[in-house]
Amino acid sequence: AQSVSQHNHHVILSEAASLELGCNYSYGGTVNLFWYVQYPGQHLQLLLKYFSGDPLVKGIKGFEAEFIKSKFSFNLRKPSVQWSDTAEYFCAVNFARGSGGYNKLIFGAGTRLAVHP
Amino acid sequence: EAGVTQFPSHSVIEKGQTVTLRCDPISGHDNLYWYRRVMGKEIKFLLHFVKESKQDESGMPNNRFLAERTGGTYSTLKVQPAELEDSGVYFCASSQAVRASGITDTQYFGPGTRLTVL
Repeated sequence: AQSVSQHNHHVILSEAASLELGCNYSYGGTVNLFWYVQYPGQHLQLLLKYFSGDPLVKGIKGFEAEFIKSKFSFNLRKPSVQWSDTAEYFCAVNFARGSGGYNKLIFGAGTRLAVHP
Repeated sequence: EAGVTQFPSHSVIEKGQTVTLRCDPISGHDNLYWYRRVMGKEIKFLLHFVKESKQDESGMPNNRFLAERTGGTYSTLKVQPAELEDSGVYFCASSQAVRASGITDTQYFGPGTRLTVL
């Protein structure tokens, strides 16, 4: 079955520390990849997405992610986090036609990030 | 441009009762999705509408759940009768038309409805 794994469920960092959140998916075919974020009390927002082209994707608020096809990974990074980055982060994958149910998103379990001032 | 809206934001009902959740997608978005997150678990797909037609309902838990999208605009998700395990946050998302490659564009999420079944 298609699945998405996020390596860390809880991450605690101090401001200015670097962030890397891992995401791996199970399917070897064509995929679309997303990172969503949910700030406290707010709805899910798109951070960045990868459909094709340059595997290094830049998103909002200084976030970036790198698609490594050989590793089935799409890790999220930020060089210097701020207190306002405290949120829950979700990796999601949309699998291509032919793999069944290609429009739905398969989500990882989420990573709760707490940034301390 | 207004985003995806959901109503109510919270609902507390007793086991055996009926609840109806509503989702209004972004205007012009043909695709509408329902997802659910049970406490401590991942967000899981329930079903997908293209306009008023159900494209994929493989994630619907059982026949106590009924989703409709009359006229291809807003959608409702009814749970009847509700059980304790139905508690969770129900998200709605919408996206524009499917691309020529068959891949759907970015899905935009609503704020969710938190359902508590006592």
